[in-house]
Amino acid sequence: DIQMTQSPSSLSASVGDRVTITCRASQSISSYLNWYQQKPGKAPKLLIYVASSLQSGVPSRFSGSGSGTNFTLTISSLQPEDFATYSCQQTSSPPHTFGQGTNLEIK
Amino acid sequence: EVQLVQSGTEVKKPGESLKISCKASGYSFTNYWIAWVRQMPGKGLEWMGIIYPGDSATRDSPSFQGRVTISADKSLTTAYLQWSTLRASDTAIYYCARYGETTGKGADYWGQGTLVTVSS
Repeated sequence: DIQMTQSPSSLSASVGDRVTITCRASQSISSYLNWYQQKPGKAPKLLIYVASSLQSGVPSRFSGSGSGTNFTLTISSLQPEDFATYSCQQTSSPPHTFGQGTNLEIK
Repeated sequence: EVQLVQSGTEVKKPGESLKISCKASGYSFTNYWIAWVRQMPGKGLEWMGIIYPGDSATRDSPSFQGRVTISADKSLTTAYLQWSTLRASDTAIYYCARYGETTGKGADYWGQGTLVTVSS
């Protein structure tokens, strides 16, 4: 199985901050990396697919980059509604493993 | 409008069986993979497996193989996740999700989740 490791596990930031979350795969996954946002009591929401493509309806302050084994999710200017948990997922080969999640909290 | 509507909360005892459902609408059910994802209390997302309703092909996670069965009924546009013998450690929220045009594009629509509690 491909292991996905996110860092940091938790992060405190303020509204307006630029935030970067990283995800590392245990082997190359090309660009088959997706990012999800999950708020308490809600289902995950797809933000970014194939590393850098913005899902329809997602604000442009979210962006993704990377290929191979190293990937990043960047939020250019944090908004109050962005405080949530973010998870990466590889869809290069089954099982389509998730990272452990990054909890983004208000400072 | 694409919708995935999951069956309701379940409270079961260890050793019992269970089948939960995910009713799809608003798209061609047979042409998109459906995934099942577990979220244990306070924990992250765990991929359990996927099914292609068009031919019922499945891809299962080794972590869940032998413990759960993923299936689909094309006539009812419904996917299922079932257990023959529940354990307390199966207590979790279970989500179904639809992949995009290819599995590489991630899961673009999600059900609301089904809470399963297993307790004696």
